[in-house]
Amino acid sequence: KQEVTQIPAALSVPEGENLVLNCSFTDSAIYNLQWFRQDPGKGLTSLLLIQSSQREQTSGRLNASLDKSSGRSTLYIAASQPGDSATYLCAVRTDSNYQLIWGAGTKLIIKP
Amino acid sequence: DAGVIQSPRHEVTEMGQEVTLRCKPISGHDYLFWYRQTMMRGLELLIYFNNNVPIDDSGMPEDRFSAKMPNASFSTLKIQPSEPRDSAVYFCASSDRQFSGEQFFGPGTRLTVL
Repeated sequence: KQEVTQIPAALSVPEGENLVLNCSFTDSAIYNLQWFRQDPGKGLTSLLLIQSSQREQTSGRLNASLDKSSGRSTLYIAASQPGDSATYLCAVRTDSNYQLIWGAGTKLIIKP
Repeated sequence: DAGVIQSPRHEVTEMGQEVTLRCKPISGHDYLFWYRQTMMRGLELLIYFNNNVPIDDSGMPEDRFSAKMPNASFSTLKIQPSEPRDSAVYFCASSDRQFSGEQFFGPGTRLTVL
């Protein structure tokens, strides 16, 4: 059974720092992995999707990597800003069906 | 595109009442998903549709929950009768290609059952 873990549960860093959020999964047979952000009281915004055949995806200051063999993905945020404060979730789609398996999220706070 | 649209954004009702949540997916998307989010259980997939046909409803908690998709641009999630433990945020998401599978979420409906 696929399980997705995000550590740490919360992270607070000063503005301007580069940071890495972690996502690990137990079964390497994934179809793709998606990173989302969720602002308080809001919906989920898709940030990046990495197919199983890809190693990384980039969008602006965000870079997501995928290492299937080790069951890990990282989301790198460069030059963090207070507007980056949100909860970041990763979700894995398994080969067997369309269901996304979700991590519990990392709550990120960027201090001005 | 306006993105996934959900209504209402907030719903407060009393136990035993019927609740209907609505969703309009992104035009052209052929997959539609209903999720529920709570602090205790996180995000849970309730049901998803492909081309208006329910594919997997194994996440629907009880017979009190039902979902329909009468056409490609509209879906409903109904709870009858509602109970306090149904209080949660309900999200609708849509996706355009099975093999890409990127899901786009609506803003959610915050349901409170008193």
